[in-house]
Amino acid sequence: EDQVTQSPEALRLQEGESSSLNCSYTVSGLRGLFWYRQDPGKGPEFLFTLYSAGEEKEKERLKATLTKKESFRHITAPKPEDSATYLCAVQPFRSSNTGKLIFGQGTTLQVKP
Amino acid sequence: GAVVSQHPSRVICKSGTSVKIECRSLDFQATTMFWYRQFPKKSLMLMATSNEGSKATYEQGVEKDKFLINHASLTLSTLTVTSAHPEDSSFYICSAKSGRGLNEQFFGPGTRLTVL
Repeated sequence: EDQVTQSPEALRLQEGESSSLNCSYTVSGLRGLFWYRQDPGKGPEFLFTLYSAGEEKEKERLKATLTKKESFRHITAPKPEDSATYLCAVQPFRSSNTGKLIFGQGTTLQVKP
Repeated sequence: GAVVSQHPSRVICKSGTSVKIECRSLDFQATTMFWYRQFPKKSLMLMATSNEGSKATYEQGVEKDKFLINHASLTLSTLTVTSAHPEDSSFYICSAKSGRGLNEQFFGPGTRLTVL
């Protein structure tokens, strides 16, 4: 069964303290892995798409990497405005036509000043 | 680019009434739209997938007569919660995919439904 697991469930950092969030997946053929940010009471905001092992993407203080079993989202020198829930989602090859995603449960990040 | 809107953002209704939620892609044509439901501090639960001009495909356990989905144009999909009950109270979010070989789904801001 296709599955996405994110860890930790919650993470508290001091401003400037770098860390990583993990997204482990089990899927029968990965078409793509997606990272989203969700603020309370709002819809998810698209961040990155990763397609193949070894791929890396960067956006400001965020960097995402992909291996054959997991993806890491590194945050360098976070700021309080980076506080949000970060969602990871995978799309199996069998869902290429439909575009369906399988979401993890999310990691809630809190960055304190 | 890739902006998706939802209306209304919040709705409170009495038990037994029907509520319609609109989802629009503002700057692209969405061949496929998705409807999700999210419970507090939980991840997104896919309810159904809709393609323009065809019937929606519902996920297992989602009542199609309860949650009516219409995707009448390439920029508009609607979700109607029929005969709403308090257990239907939730955060409903739509997303849209352009279908131009891109896989990313772009999400709307969500609709908070409260059924009294």
